[in-house]
Amino acid sequence: DTVLTQSPALAVSPGERITISCRASENVNTGMHWYQQKPGQQPKLLIYGASNLESGVPARFSGSGSGTDFTLTIDPVEADDIATYFCQQSWNDPFTFGSGTKLEIK
Amino acid sequence: QVQLKESGPGLVKPSETLSLICTVSGFSLTSYHVSWVRQPPGKGLEWMGVKWGDGSTAYNSALKSRLSISRDTAKSPVFLKMSSLKTEDTATHYCARGFLYITEYYFDYWGQGVMVTVSS
Repeated sequence: DTVLTQSPALAVSPGERITISCRASENVNTGMHWYQQKPGQQPKLLIYGASNLESGVPARFSGSGSGTDFTLTIDPVEADDIATYFCQQSWNDPFTFGSGTKLEIK
Repeated sequence: QVQLKESGPGLVKPSETLSLICTVSGFSLTSYHVSWVRQPPGKGLEWMGVKWGDGSTAYNSALKSRLSISRDTAKSPVFLKMSSLKTEDTATHYCARGFLYITEYYFDYWGQGVMVTVSS
């Protein structure tokens, strides 16, 4: 299975620019997608196809990358962005998710 | 308005079979796909399997021997059955609408999830 590696946590201050990385154990082309999950809630799609912003998601969120290295950027971070962020690949079977990066307030 | 909602028992005994229902509205099951995704408490997400719009099914190989995803018609709920449950199967189970864009497949709508505890 394709393993997606994310840093477990990131401490941020509102107003900062932050990047969350996701590294795939093998090529996933641009089949990488990002989700936000707040405590007690279901995941919410932010970015699909590595860099496409889902409708209704603020333009503060952006994605980049291809192959094995991907990045989710939030600029600027707002207090409401405190959540866990998961990457998910769809290029290889089975679909897999990263373990998540928890965004915390400094 | 696209909506998905999971329902099922909150507690199941080890070795028994779990049955969950995903009720959808706002879209056709022949035009979109429905996946099941689970999340153990405090952990990450695991894709379990998908009912494609054409009626075919695909499963995560790690669960394939115990898992069945079905639906009767294009308008019916999507059903999940998983047998031989173990305590490590304790998780929140989500159904999610899948969108296939060329070769990219992602989940654009999710249900609220149903927590299933496997315990005697």
